[in-house]
Amino acid sequence: GAVVSQHPSRVICKSGTSVKIECRSLDFQATTMFWYRQFPKQSLMLMATSNEGSKATYEQGVEKDKFLINHASLTLSTLTVTSAHPEDSSFYICSALRGVSGGANEQFFGPGTRLTVL
Amino acid sequence: ILNVEQSPQSLHVQEGDSTNFTCSFPSSNFYALHWYRWETAKSPEALFVMTLNGDEKKKGRISATLNTKEGYSYLYIKGSQPEDSATYLCAYYTGRRALTFGSGTRLQVQP
Repeated sequence: GAVVSQHPSRVICKSGTSVKIECRSLDFQATTMFWYRQFPKQSLMLMATSNEGSKATYEQGVEKDKFLINHASLTLSTLTVTSAHPEDSSFYICSALRGVSGGANEQFFGPGTRLTVL
Repeated sequence: ILNVEQSPQSLHVQEGDSTNFTCSFPSSNFYALHWYRWETAKSPEALFVMTLNGDEKKKGRISATLNTKEGYSYLYIKGSQPEDSATYLCAYYTGRRALTFGSGTRLQVQP
């Protein structure tokens, strides 16, 4: 159990367009999901924490108007990169927390999305 | 800022070799240490969640130890196989915020 899907796996878009990435927990409910970004040879960097039914919590330096997060159901969170620019090209990956917050924070990851902005 | 360091950055071994790598993390405010295995084009897969100083966990040929007082964890792979080739990530958790990840150790096992 504990499978998380992410779609699309790869996207190439033109500068100025918006891109939506979906993260779904397939066999469990997730009140909390996380969005990470990874630049080459670097760590997974947390962008924001997505909470079902409430506003996302963004990390310092992450623009909330540029990276829109919606967590409308217990199995789906979406990240929309608005007016994408080449510097937004990166690998974006989501994870879902099974159960309630607290405990050891065991997260289950999607396979990630490679975004390339031309 | 929480610094989680992993070493080495990459490792090439021959099939059958045993290997180990290190994750260093702050020794203060420790709650849990996670190890993930991440194969190319797949989701990171949880290997271990470790919470107690002195913990040792094992899953097949892979084992991990934890020293929270000095802030390190070792991951060991006994008799490496080509299918062990992956990036191994550790992540530190204080109990208050999300996980803080190291940059990973990339393992390549040559047949």
